[in-house]
Amino acid sequence: DVKVTQSSRYLVKRTGEKVFLECVQDMDHENMFWYRQDPGLGLRLIYFSYDVKMKEKGDIPEGYSVSREKKERFSLILESASTNQTSMYLCATGWRGLGSPLHFGNGTRLTVT
Amino acid sequence: GENVEQHPSTLSVQEGDSAVIKCTYSDSASNYFPWYKQELGKRPQLIIDIRSNVGEKKDQRIAVTLNKTAKHFSLHITETQPEDSAVYFCAPQGDYKLSFGAGTTVTVRA
Repeated sequence: DVKVTQSSRYLVKRTGEKVFLECVQDMDHENMFWYRQDPGLGLRLIYFSYDVKMKEKGDIPEGYSVSREKKERFSLILESASTNQTSMYLCATGWRGLGSPLHFGNGTRLTVT
Repeated sequence: GENVEQHPSTLSVQEGDSAVIKCTYSDSASNYFPWYKQELGKRPQLIIDIRSNVGEKKDQRIAVTLNKTAKHFSLHITETQPEDSAVYFCAPQGDYKLSFGAGTTVTVRA
């Protein structure tokens, strides 16, 4: 069974802090994704990566960056956290190629005060 | 990115009745059409998917139908049960990016 692990379930950070959200998968999937989930807005894609050291912007990349130094790990970085980044963050993974379903982590509930 | 719309945004059904959720998309290159279910406090999970060379697929009480010409696909749940209460997302895929619909909250009334 695919395991996608997000490092924290809940995080509380202050405005202006640098925040790291980590995601690790054990299935050797090429593709990894970061989404944020807000009520009424569904899942919005922040960044994705289809290979080590590769990254692509999603629909809402502003205020975020990512890092993928190893295939199994995909990090989301908030350079300077702001209150409008309070959200649920979901990591997902999948095989390269079309028609591959996503496997999600449990999510990180981030609150920025 | 792809424009994805789900309707309705909320759906309340009596236990035992059927539920239908429709997803429309804009990218004619989309060729993979999954539905995800997210129960309260849990992660989204794939429940059924269909590829563009198939018009309909069924798995017990759930089914997905695809109309590529009209660019929409639908989730059908028959004989609804309380455990079907959840948020359902469609996520049509045409390339590496996956755009999700805003979700449909389904409530099954006992």
